[in-house]
Amino acid sequence: GAVVSQHPSRVICKSGTSVKIECRSLDFQATTMFWYRQFPKQSLMLMATSNEGSKATYEQGVEKDKFLINHASLTLSTLTVTSAHPEDSSFYICSALQLRETQYFGPGTRLLVL
Amino acid sequence: GENVEQHPSTLSVQEGDSAVIKCTYSDSASNYFPWYKQELGKRPQLIIDIRSNVGEKKDQRIAVTLNKTAKHFSLHITETQPEDSAVYFCAASKIDDMRFGAGTRLTVKP
Repeated sequence: GAVVSQHPSRVICKSGTSVKIECRSLDFQATTMFWYRQFPKQSLMLMATSNEGSKATYEQGVEKDKFLINHASLTLSTLTVTSAHPEDSSFYICSALQLRETQYFGPGTRLLVL
Repeated sequence: GENVEQHPSTLSVQEGDSAVIKCTYSDSASNYFPWYKQELGKRPQLIIDIRSNVGEKKDQRIAVTLNKTAKHFSLHITETQPEDSAVYFCAASKIDDMRFGAGTRLTVKP
């Protein structure tokens, strides 16, 4: 299957700082990428849909000013958690859409905000 | 919007037995139904998928069935092995929009 990378895999930061997470499709172009958040033992919660060259579409209840998404190229989307707080600690997973149908997931980023 | 329900939330079987996970969806426009397996701390991996023009698909020990009329689809794992233990997610999708079920934690006891 297609390969999606995500960086960093783990990050620990102080409350109030911003954290950037990168998601890359390595062997295909993805006009659409998705960002999910996953709490322990729970399902994937869609945060936003990232479309190359346009603004991201955020799910209800997700603060767009707090979770900044940039999809500057067909292979890269970034999620920036601004002014992170302990409640933002979670597992963030991106996915890239291939041929407008199949999603391939990145390995995830575990964020811990102290 | 689409709503996907998945049952059961946990499933424990003996090695060698079969496991069945069921999902229902609400949006008749959904036409693509993948299943993902997620091991602890890892990314979800696509294990099998089915499109709305097909009623059943099989890949070795894994099979998926789809009933479009009833809007439900199921994952069947036969001859389960301990390495099948993981969380399984179903999803229903139309173009650029995929919704996941809540997941089923499958435990296969040796």
